[in-house]
Amino acid sequence: DGGITQSPKYLFRKEGQNVTLSCEQNLNHDAMYWYRQDPGQGLRLIYYSQIVNDFQKGDIAEGYSVSREKKESFPLTVTSAQKNPTAFYLCASRPGHMDSNQPQHFGDGTRLSIL
Amino acid sequence: AQTVTQSQPEMSVQEAETVTLSCTYDTSESNYYLFWYKQPPSRQMILVIRQEAYKQQNATENRFSVNFQKAAKSFSLKISDSQLGDTAMYFCAYRTQGGSEKLVFGKGTKLTVNP
Repeated sequence: DGGITQSPKYLFRKEGQNVTLSCEQNLNHDAMYWYRQDPGQGLRLIYYSQIVNDFQKGDIAEGYSVSREKKESFPLTVTSAQKNPTAFYLCASRPGHMDSNQPQHFGDGTRLSIL
Repeated sequence: AQTVTQSQPEMSVQEAETVTLSCTYDTSESNYYLFWYKQPPSRQMILVIRQEAYKQQNATENRFSVNFQKAAKSFSLKISDSQLGDTAMYFCAYRTQGGSEKLVFGKGTKLTVNP
């Protein structure tokens, strides 16, 4: 079955440590997105990529980095510069501009906590 | 920038009854998409229904329907014959046509269906 796989489901970060969240999709989607969800809040966009080897900052990109070396993969690194990383992180994907009426599909998320 | 407002942080409804969740948004664009996503306790984001702004007809999906008032920038969700499995957070989201095509989310409404 096609879908989006996020791993790990739970992740703990020590102070000063970088951690990487994985997002893989087999839907052949061009665009991929990373969102952050805090309690009582909606999702906020961190980074997005509309094509391989290209990505753009979203609304809250500070302290995060991404790469898009393959169409299927869009990993998110939470760096030590992100002072409040505890949150639920969701990855999403959708077809490209030619299918603009298609919605985003979401993975099951990764819960990141500080040790 | 576009904003989405959900004015009801929490709502409850009796099983088999009907409930309406409110959503308003602010935009200067004429073409866009609106979505309702459901997030059950499992935290997975599930698409409930979508509406293209250029379509005057309100979208329906089985027990779920919307009341889309473009001039008023209102997009409410009606759930008929509520079921226990409808208990979840519901997020209203806006998406531009073209550009990043990111989703802008409201803060959500927590719906509880009581037996």
